[in-house]
Amino acid sequence: GAGVSQSPSNKVTEKGKDVELRCDPISGHTALYWYRQRLGQGLEFLIYFQGNSAPDKSGLPSDRFSAERTGESVSTLTIQRTQQEDSAVYLCASSLGAWGLFGFRGYTFGSGTRLTVV
Amino acid sequence: AQSVTQLDSQVPVFEEAPVELRCNYSSSVSVYLFWYVQYPNQGLQLLLKYLSGSTLVESINGFEAEFNKSQTSFHLRKPSVHISDTAEYFCAVSDPMDSSYKLIFGSGTRLLVRP
Repeated sequence: GAGVSQSPSNKVTEKGKDVELRCDPISGHTALYWYRQRLGQGLEFLIYFQGNSAPDKSGLPSDRFSAERTGESVSTLTIQRTQQEDSAVYLCASSLGAWGLFGFRGYTFGSGTRLTVV
Repeated sequence: AQSVTQLDSQVPVFEEAPVELRCNYSSSVSVYLFWYVQYPNQGLQLLLKYLSGSTLVESINGFEAEFNKSQTSFHLRKPSVHISDTAEYFCAVSDPMDSSYKLIFGSGTRLLVRP
């Protein structure tokens, strides 16, 4: 597609329920990132996928958070047993890939999923 | 670990006035620096970046930022703002030694341009 697509755009869930957020990156983008933006705060890095390499999960805040990506396709971020502090906008970004040798490739961000846990 | 500080959460300014949005990052041997802009109800867009070379970088819409290594700063400036510049601005840093090239963001500065 022309941009990074995220769905749903808004999600309201009850505390304790599981939620699944979807990110559809730009075709051909091998790198995919998930970020979380809490109200009034900056973006926090959650997880990074690069092709078929092992993901960098260093930003996941707890074991309730997990993400999957098969190859260079869609990624899903799953939050189990949601808590009120999980309320945030979850942003996905994709990139042509690791850019050390090739120069800056740029990131394209999706519009995000606004998650509200009540 | 890298961190980014944007001291001003909101900056109100009148149209056609100059503006400076401040950004400081934690010290590092080398960094890549970015400014992103988020217009209301839109996704993040890259405004400008510093990777190497000239310490003064410019965007196509009149913004500029200067990399100051001694001050560990990357402040964003515009000599004359427009109403359409109203948005949230995020400073971000990336560590060239981090193979994931993930961005570390500041908390953002909301620029509010008044007529």
